[in-house]
Amino acid sequence: AQSVTQLDSHVSVSEGTPVLLRCNYSSSYSPSLFWYVQHPNKGLQLLLKYTSAATLVKGINGFEAEFKKSETSFHLTKPSAHMSDAAEYFCVVTNYGQNFVFGPGTRLSVLP
Amino acid sequence: ETGVTQTPRHLVMGMTNKKSLKCEQHLGHNAMYWYKQSAKKPLELMFVYNFKEQTENNSVPSRFSPECPNSSHLFLHLHTLQPEDSALYLCASSQQGSQERIKLSSYGYTFGSGTRLTVV
Repeated sequence: AQSVTQLDSHVSVSEGTPVLLRCNYSSSYSPSLFWYVQHPNKGLQLLLKYTSAATLVKGINGFEAEFKKSETSFHLTKPSAHMSDAAEYFCVVTNYGQNFVFGPGTRLSVLP
Repeated sequence: ETGVTQTPRHLVMGMTNKKSLKCEQHLGHNAMYWYKQSAKKPLELMFVYNFKEQTENNSVPSRFSPECPNSSHLFLHLHTLQPEDSALYLCASSQQGSQERIKLSSYGYTFGSGTRLTVV
């Protein structure tokens, strides 16, 4: 069985400061992991994905995530937040494209 | 555009109406999904179709009726809905399969923009 935990339901940062959104997973297999972003009243957009290649994954809009097997984590980071980053972020785990499991989401607020 | 198109973008319907949501993908994916996203709730998987066969139905009420005529099109037929059914309905597609058959870069969902449904 797989599961995803997003430790923070809401994160608030000031514009220009670093962003850290936490994700921990459990999986019986070698997992594939994804981060999706959802802006208000929009669908989900893929930010980045880890599929057993490089453990540090770079995504769109300056985001990156590091797969740490020993910590079963896949935290999402960005060096400097922008107002347009305010959105809901979902961590997702799957094995071989079967059984996608979504985390509950983390809402990111960016303060001016 | 993501490659997954949902229509309409917004829908307001009465509780006695019949309407349909449409989803279309031209990504060559073999699996399509309907998700419901309500305010302050996690994403709820409703239906999964793989190669046009329904492989999952997560105890969804019968007033929601999916249809998958081919691997590129997915519909959600709505009938006698309740106000609590008001939500964002998201369609997604993906390529399902074993690691040996599918390129790793193909994994992941591609989502449509959703249909915002309001039941009055």
